[in-house]
Amino acid sequence: EIVLTQSPATLSLSPGERATLSCRASQSISTYLTWYQQKPGQAPRLLIYDASNRAPGIPARFSGSGSGTDFTLTISSLEPEDFAVYYCQQRSDTFGGGTKVEI
Amino acid sequence: QVKLVESGGGLVKPGETLRLSCTASGFTFSDFYMSWVRQAPGKGLEWISYISSTGDTVYYADSMKGRVTTSRDNANNSLYLQINTPGTDDTAVYYCARDTDYSLYGMDVWGQGTTVTVSS
Repeated sequence: EIVLTQSPATLSLSPGERATLSCRASQSISTYLTWYQQKPGQAPRLLIYDASNRAPGIPARFSGSGSGTDFTLTISSLEPEDFAVYYCQQRSDTFGGGTKVEI
Repeated sequence: QVKLVESGGGLVKPGETLRLSCTASGFTFSDFYMSWVRQAPGKGLEWISYISSTGDTVYYADSMKGRVTTSRDNANNSLYLQINTPGTDDTAVYYCARDTDYSLYGMDVWGQGTTVTVSS
């Protein structure tokens, strides 16, 4: 089973700052990596697919990069609505443990 | 609008078979692969299964194989998840989700979730 490790577990930042979230796979997954955002009491929301492609309607401040085993989600300038938990997923399979972005 | 609505959750006793449903609207259900994902209280997301658009192919997470069955009824725009002999660790919010039609992987539409509590 491929394990995804997200770091850090919690990221404490202020609005306007840059957020860099990491997702590492235990073996190569090419670019089959998806990022989701989840707010309390809500279903997840698709942000990035195929490691670097923004889903329709996702603001340009969200970007993804990486291939193989190391992936990054970057939020260039945090808006108040971006404070949430972010998950990565490999293929249609395992999720990472999540990174909470808090104020 | 595009919508998924789960139902069938609630309080169940350990060992009682549980069947969850997901009703789709606002899109051509039979064109899309569908998935189930769950989230235990205070925990992260756990992928359960996906099913092809015709229903002839189903993949399960290793941890769920043999315990759950995913099926669909395209005539009624419905997706199902049956959990056999649930235990207390199956307590979670269960989401159905639509797989995108613009990428190989990724779920772009989610239901609001149905809460399952397994307890005696």
